[in-house]
Amino acid sequence: SAVISQKPSRDICQRGTSLTIQCQVDSQVTMMFWYRQQPGQSLTLIATANQGSEATYESGFVIDKFPISRPNLTFSTLTVSNMSPEDSSIYLCSVGGGTGPTVDYGYTFGSGTRLTVV
Amino acid sequence: TQLLEQSPQFLSIQEGENLTVYCNSSSVFSSLQWYRQEPGEGPVLLVTVVTGGEVKKLKRLTFQFGDARKDSSLHITAAQPGDTGLYLCAGRSSNDYKLSFGAGTTVTVRA
Repeated sequence: SAVISQKPSRDICQRGTSLTIQCQVDSQVTMMFWYRQQPGQSLTLIATANQGSEATYESGFVIDKFPISRPNLTFSTLTVSNMSPEDSSIYLCSVGGGTGPTVDYGYTFGSGTRLTVV
Repeated sequence: TQLLEQSPQFLSIQEGENLTVYCNSSSVFSSLQWYRQEPGEGPVLLVTVVTGGEVKKLKRLTFQFGDARKDSSLHITAAQPGDTGLYLCAGRSSNDYKLSFGAGTTVTVRA
């Protein structure tokens, strides 16, 4: 399975500023996914990032707030813009999703970025 | 995305005891995945089940996919402190790359 390097692992930011989170994958992947997670809770998909096209955002998430870049098949960034305390959360990138007739390879996740907005 | 109900939300047991986590939905999934997440880390895939009625064993962990592919369970035998973590089930519908995650079960195994 792919290995993902995500950084920063944590940050404390002032409200009104922006933070860019990076994910580097050790192999080429078609789709990368960005999730948000409150500690100890479930994951919510923010958007799907495809190389060479604009990201696809889920309901409740917009490009102006969470711009995503996908310059090549091994790298993606998520920016959390104009932050407020409500943006405090864990942000995770993910790759995977290959399937076959009787198999599902599942997903690999980065270690996450714990963001605190003060 | 379909709703996956996961229960219980919290589980605290003594080392050596058994535990079961349930994942239920009214929707049919082409596959069901189980992940374990430890603090400061991302979820790590434990298993995927694809065939209705399928049972998979991973050492002391047993995973079952319901016959109708709407539900799944995770059973841990003789739990150890190293089993402590957040357990997440996630379902995928056919022709959809997206996952629907359950709310998660926080398992604490006391030594």
